[in-house]
Amino acid sequence: DGGITQSPKYLFRKEGQNVTLSCEQNLNHDAMYWYRQDPGQGLRLIYYSQIVNDFQKGDIAEGYSVSREKKESFPLTVTSAQKNPTAFYLCASRDLRTANTGELFFGEGSRLTVL
Amino acid sequence: AQTVTQSQPEMSVQEAETVTLSCTYDTSENNYYLFWYKQPPSRQMILVIRQEAYKQQNATENRFSVNFQKAAKSFSLKISDSQLGDTAMYFCAFSGGGSQGNLIFGKGTKLSVKP
Repeated sequence: DGGITQSPKYLFRKEGQNVTLSCEQNLNHDAMYWYRQDPGQGLRLIYYSQIVNDFQKGDIAEGYSVSREKKESFPLTVTSAQKNPTAFYLCASRDLRTANTGELFFGEGSRLTVL
Repeated sequence: AQTVTQSQPEMSVQEAETVTLSCTYDTSENNYYLFWYKQPPSRQMILVIRQEAYKQQNATENRFSVNFQKAAKSFSLKISDSQLGDTAMYFCAFSGGGSQGNLIFGKGTKLSVKP
């Protein structure tokens, strides 16, 4: 079945460590996104990519980095520069080529806790 | 800048009854898309319903329907015959700039369906 796979589902990190969250999709979608979800804040866009080897900052990119070396993969690194990294992270993808009206498909999310 | 406002942080409804979730948005664009997403306690976000701004007819998907008031910039979601499985966070989202515009989410409404 086609879909988006995020791993790990739960991750614990010590302060000062970088961690990388994985996101893989087999939907053949061009665009991929990373959102951060905090209670009462909704979803906030961290980074997005509409084509391989290219990506743009979203609203809260500071302290995060991404890469898009393959169409299927869009990993997110939470660096030690992110001051409040404990959150739920959602990866999503989207087909830009068809007449689709822009529906996002989401992974199951990764919960990061900084100890 | 576009904004999406959900004024009801939490709501509850009795099973089999009808509930309406509110959403307003602000944009200067004329062509855009609106979405309602559902996030159950299992966390995977799924699309409930979408509306193209150029369509005057309100979208309907089984028990879910919207009341789209373009002039008022209002996009409410009505859930009829509520079921226990409807318990979830519901997010309203806006996408402008054609089909490639990024989605902007509201802060969500937590809906509880009570037996």
